[in-house]
This record gives sequence, C-alpha cells and structure tokens, in this order.
Amino acid sequence: DVKVTQSSRYLVKRTGEKVFLECVQDMDHENMFWYRQDPGLGLRLIYFSYDVKMKEKGDIPEGYSVSREKKERFSLILESASTNQTSMYLCASSALLAGDNNEQFFGPGTRLTVL
Amino acid sequence: SQQGEEDPQALSIQEGENATMNCSYKTSINNLQWYRQNSGRGLVHLILIRSNEREKHSGRLRVTLDTSKKSSSLLITASRAADTASYFCATDPHSGNTPLVFGKGTRLSVIA
Repeated sequence: DVKVTQSSRYLVKRTGEKVFLECVQDMDHENMFWYRQDPGLGLRLIYFSYDVKMKEKGDIPEGYSVSREKKERFSLILESASTNQTSMYLCASSALLAGDNNEQFFGPGTRLTVL
Repeated sequence: SQQGEEDPQALSIQEGENATMNCSYKTSINNLQWYRQNSGRGLVHLILIRSNEREKHSGRLRVTLDTSKKSSSLLITASRAADTASYFCATDPHSGNTPLVFGKGTRLSVIA
C-alpha cells in the first residue's frame, strides 16, 4: 500500500521558534509538494521539488524554506514561526509533475498551532 | 494561483440522493482530477479525466468534462453518510511542466 507519512499529526510551537515538518514517501516518486490549507482558502502550494536537491517556489513561499536531500524525504522549515503560520500543512508526492498519471498522493496532514 | 473554482461551496443532501458538484477553470488543461478529503485528513485521489475525454465512471462516481465551457462536474449517485467530505477539483494546466492547481472545494454533508 503506497504511503506518504508526515512526522506529526499535531504540533504546537511558540512564536519565533524554528519548526521542521518532515514528509516521507515510499513510492519512489520524483515530485514532492508542501501545501497549507486554511478555511475558505483551499490548498495553497508553498514549495515543490521535482528531484533531489531541486526546489521551486509555489504560490506562498514567504516565511518558509524546504530541503530535499534524499528522494523519499521532503522537509518544510519555518525559520521563525509566526501566528499567521498556524494552519494545516499537507505533503504530497507524484510520479509525474504534469501530463497523464500525475495524480498526487497525500499524507495525513500536520495541524500546526503557533502561540 | 487558483484555477479551479468549485460550486457550490457547500451541499447538504439526504442519504440515497444524488450529489452534483461543479468545477470551472480558466486556462486549457491536460487533465482534470477530483479528490476527496475527510475532515482533518489528507486528500485522496478519486478520478482523472483527460482533456480529450467527455465522461468517465468509477463505481458511484461520474465525471464529465466540457472543455469548450471549461467546466467539469462530479456526480455521486445514491449517496451515503460515509460520502460526507470535502471534494476538490484539480487542473493540470496545459502550460508546460507545472503542478496541479487545486480549487477551494465543495463541502458535502450527507444526512442519514
């Protein structure tokens, strides 16, 4: 059974803390994605990666960075967490970025609260 | 950049009824996909329809695509309480190697 796992389901951090969200996939997918999801705003793409050590900004990269040192792992980093980064964070992976069979497989999400 | 826009934002029906959700988008696409999200969980891929297809079925799901109107619909027949979830359309833009663009979703409630 294919799987995308995220390191935490719930996380509470303080303003100014450095936060790491980890995502691991076991499908040997080239592409990995980080989204945040807020009520009324849907899914917004933060960053994606199409290969090891490669990354591309999504729609809302400000305040975030990412790391992809191994194919199966994609980390989202909040350098200095702020209250407006309280959100649900979803990780996904896909074999292809575009074209047929580019469906994404999602992890269960991490609900981050920044106090 | 949000391309898909689902309609309605929320839908409430009785068990056994059919549920129809619509998605409109702006630019030409390679394919359009529908996903489901149970409350507080990740999204699950339901079905993919290619730009040269007009209709696709999977179990109780029926998806149509009208590229001339830039719209798609998802029909769930004989709905069950377990179908209660949010449903998202995602478009694969026909503009090079770019990721899927997700809409804001339709919240479906099926009342037993």
